[in-house]
Amino acid sequence: DVKVTQSSRYLVKRTGEKVFLECVQDMDHENMFWYRQDPGLGLRLIYFSYDVKMKEKGDIPEGYSVSREKKERFSLILESASTNQTSMYLCASSLSRNTIYFGEGSWLTVV
Amino acid sequence: EDQVTQSPEALRLQEGESSSLNCSYTVSGLRGLFWYRQDPGKGPEFLFTLYSAGEEKEKERLKATLTKKESFLHITAPKPEDSATYLCAVQARGAQKLVFGQGTRLTINP
Repeated sequence: DVKVTQSSRYLVKRTGEKVFLECVQDMDHENMFWYRQDPGLGLRLIYFSYDVKMKEKGDIPEGYSVSREKKERFSLILESASTNQTSMYLCASSLSRNTIYFGEGSWLTVV
Repeated sequence: EDQVTQSPEALRLQEGESSSLNCSYTVSGLRGLFWYRQDPGKGPEFLFTLYSAGEEKEKERLKATLTKKESFLHITAPKPEDSATYLCAVQARGAQKLVFGQGTRLTINP
């Protein structure tokens, strides 16, 4: 069974804090993705990684960075959280150009 | 720029009342069109991938079809447990990422 695990389901952080969202997949997938989902805006790609230590910007990378030190783990970092980063964050993974599988999501509230 | 538009935004049906959801797309060379189901507060769950015009796929009460400009998700005799948001996404040839539509929120009343 496909498994993408996001370690934190619900987080509340203060403005200016550094925030780490962690994602792990157990399917030996090359590609991993971070999307955010907002009402009326749908899913938007923040960053993706096609190999260890490799990353590419998505459509809305500003204010975010990522880290992929191991194949199974992909972290999203908010260097200095702001209220407009309150959202649901979705991690996903895939084999090259195959179906993308999503985790359960992390709800982040920045106050 | 690749784009996906889903309609309607929301659809309310009675149990057993069949209908269709639409996904119109423009893409620079289609590699695949994907349908996902998303329950409130959860991540999208994969349903189907369609690769070429004329292709159809079925799963229980759901059937997805594809033309060169759009895809339909047909729901036959739906049940309340089919209530969810249905997301459509496209992947361009040579690309890794998916481009999503806004989704259709489907409610099935008993």
